[in-house]
Amino acid sequence: AQSVTQLDSQVPVFEEAPVELRCNYSSSVSVYLFWYVQYPNQGLQLLLKYLSGSTLVESINGFEAEFNKSQTSFHLRKPSVHISDTAEYFCAVTLYNQGGKLIFGQGTELSVKP
Amino acid sequence: GAGVSQSPSNKVTEKGKDVELRCDPISGHTALYWYRQSLGQGLEFLIYFQGNSAPDKSGLPSDRFSAERTGGSVSTLTIQRTQQEDSAVYLCASSPPGGTYNEQFFGPGTRLTVL
Repeated sequence: AQSVTQLDSQVPVFEEAPVELRCNYSSSVSVYLFWYVQYPNQGLQLLLKYLSGSTLVESINGFEAEFNKSQTSFHLRKPSVHISDTAEYFCAVTLYNQGGKLIFGQGTELSVKP
Repeated sequence: GAGVSQSPSNKVTEKGKDVELRCDPISGHTALYWYRQSLGQGLEFLIYFQGNSAPDKSGLPSDRFSAERTGGSVSTLTIQRTQQEDSAVYLCASSPPGGTYNEQFFGPGTRLTVL
């Protein structure tokens, strides 16, 4: 069975510090990888995704994630965070030819302090 | 443009009652998904529709849960004889045609509380 593990449930950081949110997955077949973000009192929205090609993918607000097949990881990074990045971040996978259902990790709550 | 809408936004019910949750997907989106978000279980897949058919119902937790989609648009998730463990936020998402890797657009959710 496929699963997604987010190793940190909470990550507190100071503004302008770098951050890494860790995600590992388990699957015997090819997967597509996603990071979704849920800002306070808002719905889930896509942050970035990896489908194929370059293993480094970027979002419009400065986040990036790197697909590492050998380590089955898809960690999310940002070199300098802002207060507005405070949110819950979910790593998810979907399997090829499985209709697109997302299997989510437990989420990581990122709290950026001034 | 209009996003995914869900109603009601909040529902409080008594144990044993039936509830219906509604999802209006983005116009033209052929795929529709239901998920459940709870403190103990995180985000869980429930059921997936492609058009009006449901090729994957594997996430429905019991036979008290059912869902339908009509006209390739609105979907209703029904929970019969609600139990306290059904308390959660029920999320609906839709995605456009073209592949299993398309972005899913999520609604704001329905918060269900079973007393």
